[in-house]
Amino acid sequence: GENVEQHPSTLSVQEGDSAVIKCTYSDSASNYFPWYKQELGKRPQLIIDIRSNVGEKKDQRIAVTLNKTAKHFSLHITETQPEDSAVYFCAAWLQGGSEKLVFGKGMKLTVNP
Amino acid sequence: DSGVTQTPKHLITATGQRVTLRCSPRSGDLSVYWYQQSLDQGLQFLIQYYNGEERAKGNILERFSAQQFPDLHSELNLSSLELGDSALYFCASSSQGPYTGELFFGEGSRLTVL
Repeated sequence: GENVEQHPSTLSVQEGDSAVIKCTYSDSASNYFPWYKQELGKRPQLIIDIRSNVGEKKDQRIAVTLNKTAKHFSLHITETQPEDSAVYFCAAWLQGGSEKLVFGKGMKLTVNP
Repeated sequence: DSGVTQTPKHLITATGQRVTLRCSPRSGDLSVYWYQQSLDQGLQFLIQYYNGEERAKGNILERFSAQQFPDLHSELNLSSLELGDSALYFCASSSQGPYTGELFFGEGSRLTVL
């Protein structure tokens, strides 16, 4: 299959809390997993990515972890701020058959002040 | 500004009609991707081109077609339009294929079919 499943679909947190978004993928040959953030009415933009030879990657308040055995990866946002409110998409570069970047359905994060 | 240009930004048309969406990738980018974003449906991969050649296909309907021209701009043609084709269509580009990193998205073309 060529699926990327993402959950939850919505998450509401208080400012300063942490947020976690989880994704699973089906293609065991996948080797690249980016995360995109889409603010309301704007284009998706890359915020962090991880390759299959790495288990974790951090960039300031965001971190991504990858478990290749279980075929799942997660985005962690700490000390959330109202400007973190957006839709977050995980994606996986699938290599089975034809190569393509497949996105999850997205998670709407709302950070309440 | 991502450097990817999409036109038109908004388009309203009727069922049964045909439209063409245009995308100019970032300077030097050889790969162009088209995605469809409908309400609650995330980003659905349609098709990818690399240096003028079709590289990968997703769930693109037979009524839809695309191409990448020698100057690397791309067009997505949507024909026999249906109400369900109303969506935001994104074009994205990346530096080379096979995929090596970030996709840069345009602002999208919002299609409304009445």
